[in-house]
Parts: sequence; C-alpha cells; structure tokens
Amino acid sequence: GQQLNQSPQSMFIQEGEDVSMNCTSSSIFNTWLWYKQDPGEGPVLLIALYKAGELTSNGRLTAQFGITRKDSFLNISASIPSDVGIYFCAGQALGLKLSFGAGTTVTVRA
Amino acid sequence: ETGVTQTPRHLVMGMTNKKSLKCEQHLGHNAMYWYKQSAKKPLELMFVYNFKEQTENNSVPSRFSPECPNSSHLFLHLHTLQPEDSALYLCASSSAEALYNEQFFGPGTRLTVL
Repeated sequence: GQQLNQSPQSMFIQEGEDVSMNCTSSSIFNTWLWYKQDPGEGPVLLIALYKAGELTSNGRLTAQFGITRKDSFLNISASIPSDVGIYFCAGQALGLKLSFGAGTTVTVRA
Repeated sequence: ETGVTQTPRHLVMGMTNKKSLKCEQHLGHNAMYWYKQSAKKPLELMFVYNFKEQTENNSVPSRFSPECPNSSHLFLHLHTLQPEDSALYLCASSSAEALYNEQFFGPGTRLTVL
C-alpha cells in the first residue's frame, strides 16, 4: 500500500486538554478512516470520511478530509483518561486495500 | 456473537509446530483480511479474500497459509515459523460491494514463536 506519515508518533495528554494528530500521504485517497486501538484489542473504527473537505464529528472527536485529498487530521476535545491508546489513520485509494499510518500513541501525563 | 471474533487470543508455539488461527465475522461481509501488527510499525496487510477467492498475497512467506472456506470464516495455518514472526495477527472484514472500504477488526491473536 501507499506510505502514510502519521504525526506525532506519541503524545502526552492532561485531562481536559484538546489534542490533535494528522496523517499525510504522497498519493490521493478517496476515503480516510480513523481507528483507535486499546491494549490487547483490535483497532476500532472511530470516524470515516468520504469527501474532500468533509468535517465529521463523533462525540468529542472531529476529523477532516483534507482538500488536497492527501491528508487528514483528528482532534480530540476535552480529553479524558479513557482516550489513551493508539490512534491509526488509514486511507483507501482504489479497491479493497487500506494503507495505514504507524499510529499515534496517546498516554496520560503524570 | 457479534462483530469479528478471533481464536485463540494468545498462542505460544515452537518453530517446528503447526497451528491455526481462526477468524469469524458476524457482519454479513464478504471480504476478509489478515494483517500482521508489529510494535511501532504500520499494520502489514498479508492476505485479502473477496467472496472466498484470494485476491491479494502481499509477498507473504509460504510458512503462512490462509484458507477461506466461506465468507464468514478465515483461517491462517502456521508451520515452521521463525521468532521474527512473533506479532499480533489481526483479522478484519468489510463489504466488498460497498463504495467505501470500512474494515472492522477482530481482537487479534498474540503469537509468540520460541
């Protein structure tokens, strides 16, 4: 699949903070997906984006499909302890294959 | 059972053993996938099945052998694995006819090869 650059690789959150992460690609995608993975579990789909410029929310999560179709970001507002985990972006160009980013690990700042 | 289930959840095997991983989806999907997840790396697609036909083999070594007897079940047969094959193996499913490929994952099998 295509190479996706996801950043940051890791971040520390304090309860109540807003956090943001993004993914960029050298290629155009038709779909952007955001997943969250808790320890010992498989990734769970959070938000799916289908159109360039689209902004979609799921509770405290908001994601946008970039206008160029080569990037997407995910925002978490007013973070809570259960937001910790690994967040993955995934892009679909054509067919059934998804390309995944390496993940953003979110942990709670002590 | 709902969603995508995988068994076993944990597996420890020697390099000479033969074992199988099982995946079952209860979502009415017709495309199924095997991924390998190693620490700090993107998910690596291994195999894709579309309506029980294998449509993708991502240069996976022959010591991994997939089987898809029907649209709901997917197996990964393992034999003479190497320690570097230790990883989390994830199964996913999606609707092959859908315009957008939202894949739904199982909880994974944590494999350790000694």
